[in-house]
Amino acid sequence: GNSVTQMEGPVTLSEEAFLTINCTYTATGYPSLFWYVQYPGEGLQLLLKATKADDKGSNKGFEATYRKETTSFHLEKGSVQVSDSAVYFCAQHGSGNTGKLIFGQGTTLQVKP
Amino acid sequence: DAGITQSPRYKITETGRQVTLMCHQTWSHSYMFWYRQDLGHGLRLIYYSAAADITDKGEVPDGYVVSRSKTENFPLTLESATRSQTSVYFCASSEGASNQPQHFGDGTRLSIL
Repeated sequence: GNSVTQMEGPVTLSEEAFLTINCTYTATGYPSLFWYVQYPGEGLQLLLKATKADDKGSNKGFEATYRKETTSFHLEKGSVQVSDSAVYFCAQHGSGNTGKLIFGQGTTLQVKP
Repeated sequence: DAGITQSPRYKITETGRQVTLMCHQTWSHSYMFWYRQDLGHGLRLIYYSAAADITDKGEVPDGYVVSRSKTENFPLTLESATRSQTSVYFCASSEGASNQPQHFGDGTRLSIL
């Protein structure tokens, strides 16, 4: 069945370091892909999305490219800040017209000053 | 303000009691969802609804009841709470189309003693 796999965390980086959080998916067809961010004590917020192959989603310095060849949607940021410390979830749209999302397990990012 | 709101934000109750978590959205989204978030399990879908009076089970529906008499409201009821239902509960809504994201509330932290 459809699934999303994220790299395990926690990921600990120093401020201004380069960030990559890996995400791969299995799916029939080409589902829309999403990255969500969850700050402590809050709900999930949409960070970026891509709806078709080769699309690049970007927001707040974060980027991810929909790669159908490698079935991946890795999240990147060139220079992280302490305020980026959060849990990041990769997700794909489920099959059928149900509106459901399939989430990865989440990756905790901690950025140290 | 437009958005999705959950109430209460925090709730403590005892085993065997009935408790209802409320969710209200102002976008007139067709789809609404209930998730629980537990350490080590990520997000798990409890129930979802495609429209008023249409609901369906998710991954972990046992012990929960939902209703959707109005498009904007989607309450979740634990009819006889158990300690294993201690969790953080998130409500979400979406327009439902395959390229549309879900929008999340800030969650309800439920503790069952």
